[in-house]
Amino acid sequence: KQEVTQIPAALSVPEGENLVLNCSFTDSAIYNLQWFRQDPGKGLTSLLLIQSSQREQTSGRLNASLDKSSGRSTLYIAASQPGDSATYLCAALGMRDDKIIFGKGTRLHILP
Amino acid sequence: DAMVIQNPRYQVTQFGKPVTLSCSQTLNHNVMYWYQQKSSQAPKLLFHYYDKDFNNEADTPDNFQSRRPNTSFCFLDIRSPGLGDAAMYLCATSSDGFAFFGQGTRLTVV
Repeated sequence: KQEVTQIPAALSVPEGENLVLNCSFTDSAIYNLQWFRQDPGKGLTSLLLIQSSQREQTSGRLNASLDKSSGRSTLYIAASQPGDSATYLCAALGMRDDKIIFGKGTRLHILP
Repeated sequence: DAMVIQNPRYQVTQFGKPVTLSCSQTLNHNVMYWYQQKSSQAPKLLFHYYDKDFNNEADTPDNFQSRRPNTSFCFLDIRSPGLGDAAMYLCATSSDGFAFFGQGTRLTVV
């Protein structure tokens, strides 16, 4: 059974800092690993999707990496801004059962 | 253009009154999912379909049912909503390693 863990659970950093959010998964048989942003009371916004054959994806100030062999993914946010404050979730789509399993998220607060 | 569409975005229902949430997709994906997300928690998988094959999670309450009449549509039926069923309900699709989520339906039970 796939388990997805995100560390840290919460993070507060001053504006302008670069930061890394971590995601680990127990079953490496995945189709993809996806990172989402969620604002309070809102739905999910997809940020980056990394296919199992890829090592990383980039979009603007965001870079996500995937290391299937170690069961890890990281989301790197460069030059953080107060508008980046949100909860960030990672989710793995499993090959064995087609289930999308989420981590519990990292609540990020960027201090102005 | 939205590819996974959930209606309505906000739903208020009375305690014990059956309610149906709907999801449609324009992607022709063969897998569709329903998730429940309560405040400050991760989305929890309720069930998913692979084509017409229904896969229920072991801990999904019997109060939750689903229908998938065709590839494009999937419904979540809550037979007797309780106060504890108030949550965001998310629909998703996947195919060939790609996954897409709808904007969610926020359910309030009064």
